[in-house]
Amino acid sequence: GDSVTQMEGPVTLSEEAFLTINCTYTATGYPSLFWYVQYPGEGLQLLLKATKADDKGSNKGFEATYRKETTSFHLEKGSVQVSDSAVYFCALRVRGNNRLAFGKGNQVVVIP
Amino acid sequence: EPEVTQTPSHQVTQMGQEVILRCVPISNHLYFYWYRQILGQKVEFLVSFYNNEISEKSEIFDDQFSVERPDGSNFTLKIRSTKLEDSAMYFCASTWSGSGSLGETQYFGPGTRLLVL
Repeated sequence: GDSVTQMEGPVTLSEEAFLTINCTYTATGYPSLFWYVQYPGEGLQLLLKATKADDKGSNKGFEATYRKETTSFHLEKGSVQVSDSAVYFCALRVRGNNRLAFGKGNQVVVIP
Repeated sequence: EPEVTQTPSHQVTQMGQEVILRCVPISNHLYFYWYRQILGQKVEFLVSFYNNEISEKSEIFDDQFSVERPDGSNFTLKIRSTKLEDSAMYFCASTWSGSGSLGETQYFGPGTRLLVL
């Protein structure tokens, strides 16, 4: 079935550090890929997306490139801020399905 | 900016009791979804709803679960007889269109945390 795997465990880093969160997927069809973010007390918000291979999604300084050859969609940000502290979810959606398949999410804590 | 709202934010119930979780999707959206996240696990799809009927459901969505759009604004998830393992965060989501638009964004509510004792 369709699934998403995110790296294990929370991520703690200092302000202005480089952030990478790994995401790999398996899909029966040709998926669209998404990163959602959940700030404390809020719902899941779309951060960025990519709908075909080699597309790069970007928003708020975050980027992720759809890599079909490695079935990956890693999230990166060059210089994080305290306000980036949140839980980040990778997800996919395959044509013909309404459902999103999510990864477990990664808690990111940015220390001043 | 329009948003999906959910009530209550937290609910505690006894095993075997019925619960109804409520959601108000974005007003011009046509497709509605429920997901859940058990603590420490992935966000899981439960059901999608369009044109007053279920369009897709997962294996989790058994006879204990039902969904309804009782009026033009609310979308509810009912659990008929709660079990301990139903304890989770439940998220509602909505979209303008369905699976024909692969990049279509699903807009999520803040969730209802359900605790079954």
